[in-house]
Amino acid sequence: EAQVTQNPRYLITVTGKKLTVTCSQNMNHEYMSWYRQDPGLGLRQIYYSMNVEVTDKGDVPEGYKVSRKEKRNFPLILESPSPNQTSLYFCASTPRVGATYEQYFGPGTRLTVT
Amino acid sequence: QKEVEQNSGPLSVPEGAIASLNCTYSDRGSQSFFWYRQYSGKSPELIMFIYSNGDKEDGRFTAQLNKASQYVSLLIRDSQPSDSATYLCAVERGGYNKLIFGAGTRLAVHP
Repeated sequence: EAQVTQNPRYLITVTGKKLTVTCSQNMNHEYMSWYRQDPGLGLRQIYYSMNVEVTDKGDVPEGYKVSRKEKRNFPLILESPSPNQTSLYFCASTPRVGATYEQYFGPGTRLTVT
Repeated sequence: QKEVEQNSGPLSVPEGAIASLNCTYSDRGSQSFFWYRQYSGKSPELIMFIYSNGDKEDGRFTAQLNKASQYVSLLIRDSQPSDSATYLCAVERGGYNKLIFGAGTRLAVHP
């Protein structure tokens, strides 16, 4: 089954404790991205990757890091989480640039930072 | 002004009626437009995309695009309670698959 998986699905942590949210897709997609979703603000792109070792900032990259060492994986790293990073996070993948009509979202990770 | 604006709702319609969801965008150079459906606690699911002015129909869904007026709409015919969800409008900006999302309109279809 074609899918994007994220782990963990739910996470409660404390300010300053480094965490990683994993994202993996099994569709051999080139393009992957991370979004956060906050009430009244919609989804906002954090980082994206057009292929292995190619990443770039989205609209709200502050406080986040990413890496793309393998095509299937695109982890989101919060080096020192703060309460304003409490949000619902989605990973997404598309086959390639220009194929946004085939974007698949992961199930989401609800993060709470206290 | 937000790049993509939607009325937050809720939009309440009776079962069997037509639900009309609207979205305006500010970047006149936008070329691609998408409608996603998101059930509470779930991930967004693409239901329609449109690139050209006019209407595009897929089953009970019709997307309408008017680039001159910078709006895109989604009509849902014969609305069902299972259509109750938040509908997100998204506009592709500048290539590289970059989508700008509206905050969404909550639709409630009541029996």
